[in-house]
Amino acid sequence: NAGVMQNPRHLVRRRGQEARLRCSPMKGHSHVYWYRQLPEEGLKFMVYLQKENIIDESGMPKERFSAEFPKEGPSILRIQQVVRGDSAAYFCASSTTRGQSYEQYFGPGTRLTVT
Amino acid sequence: AQSVTQLDSQVPVFEEAPVELRCNYSSSVSVYLFWYVQYPNQGLQLLLKYLSGSTLVKGINGFEAEFNKSQTSFHLRKPSVHISDTAEYFCAVSRGTYKYIFGTGTRLKVLA
Repeated sequence: NAGVMQNPRHLVRRRGQEARLRCSPMKGHSHVYWYRQLPEEGLKFMVYLQKENIIDESGMPKERFSAEFPKEGPSILRIQQVVRGDSAAYFCASSTTRGQSYEQYFGPGTRLTVT
Repeated sequence: AQSVTQLDSQVPVFEEAPVELRCNYSSSVSVYLFWYVQYPNQGLQLLLKYLSGSTLVKGINGFEAEFNKSQTSFHLRKPSVHISDTAEYFCAVSRGTYKYIFGTGTRLKVLA
């Protein structure tokens, strides 16, 4: 029973390049959440998606960041024209339905380094 | 606005000793509370959660936490730690929605 999968685990990009981070939720989960962890900080909510819909993107930076969760395939977090400040760990989580506890299952994260 | 404070960034403790990792939150409404553990190069794993009911919550791996509403705390405890408990521990709060607020984490280092 595979958990939440993220790839790549480590990603190095030069300033100005694009970064694509992938997240495959747990089997049967249709809700995906992305969080960012900057150095020495806690995880911060970025976006919540269901299949083909963005439900809440209030934590996403206004520019250069976008997310999608297509009908088929993994959820993608895309960062265009990366800058050094984008260096962070990006975690994806998934859940079944909203339910009472909103228990979210986390992936291992993608560590993005911008040089 | 909600916030979560984990006062200790690092906690060293000897094997078989007890440990308490502190978590305080600020919220004027009822919240759900969580503790997650992150082992090196792995994702976050849920240790335990408080939704309602008994204020003493037992989780996996022998951990427990007590919800104290008057002190707005949710400290994590284990009576006897093992080397394998070395990890980073995150406290999180939710107002009953999907949007979790995380603390900055506490690195627990268990010494032989």
